[in-house]
Amino acid sequence: EAGVAQSPRYKIIEKRQSVAFWCNPISGHATLYWYQQILGQGPKLLIQFQNNGVVDDSQLPKDRFSAERLKGVDSTLKIQPAKLEDSAVYLCASSLVSGTSGRGNEQFFGPGTRLTVL
Amino acid sequence: AQSVTQPDIHITVSEGASLELRCNYSYGATPYLFWYVQSPGQGLQLLLKYFSGDTLVQGIKGFEAEFKRSQSSFNLRKPSVHWSDAAEYFCAVGTGNQFYFGTGTSLTVIP
Repeated sequence: EAGVAQSPRYKIIEKRQSVAFWCNPISGHATLYWYQQILGQGPKLLIQFQNNGVVDDSQLPKDRFSAERLKGVDSTLKIQPAKLEDSAVYLCASSLVSGTSGRGNEQFFGPGTRLTVL
Repeated sequence: AQSVTQPDIHITVSEGASLELRCNYSYGATPYLFWYVQSPGQGLQLLLKYFSGDTLVQGIKGFEAEFKRSQSSFNLRKPSVHWSDAAEYFCAVGTGNQFYFGTGTSLTVIP
C-alpha cells in the first residue's frame, strides 16, 4: 500500500514570496490533515478536510494561508505572502474513517515539506 | 483547555537499557491517546494507541504504554532499547473535534 506522498520535500524562498505544497493521501482515505511543525515543537493542526469539505480550519492563518482539496483526493496548501516565522516542516496526514470521529483513528503521515523562508 | 505535556525534552539511554517516556494530558473525559515516533527527515509513524479497554497497550517495535486515569498519564515504555530507537517521540491526544501533539522527547541511544 502506497503511503502519503508530499512534494516538494524541500523549499527555500524569500519572505513575501508565495509557495505551494502538494499532498496525495492514501487511496480511499476520506480525511486529510495539514500540520505545521516548527523546529523543536510538536505538529500543530492547520486544517482538516473530510472528502473535499473543510471540517476544521480554526488554526489556519487565513490572511496568508489557504488550502483546497478538489475532488476529495489531492490537496494543496498555499502560503502567500510568506513570512520568516513560516519556516517549518509542513506535514500532510490522512485517515480512513470519515466524520469528526476520524480524530480518534490512526493518521498516516507523509514525509513532510521543509520550508525555509529567508 | 486541553493540553499534552511531555516533561522530558531530551533523554539519553544506553543500548539495552530500559526506557520510559512520560506523557500527561489535560482533558475532562477519557481521550484517545497515541504515541508517534519521528526519525530524522521522516514523517510520523504510529507506535500505539489507546481508545478504551485494557489500560496496557502493546505497540510495534516492542513498545508498550500504560494509561493511568488517576494520573492523567500515558507513559511509553520499552524494556530494552536498540540503537535504531534513537528518534523524536510524540504523545498525542484526540478529543472530540481536536487533536493535540506534545512538544516531543528526543531520544539518544549510546552504545
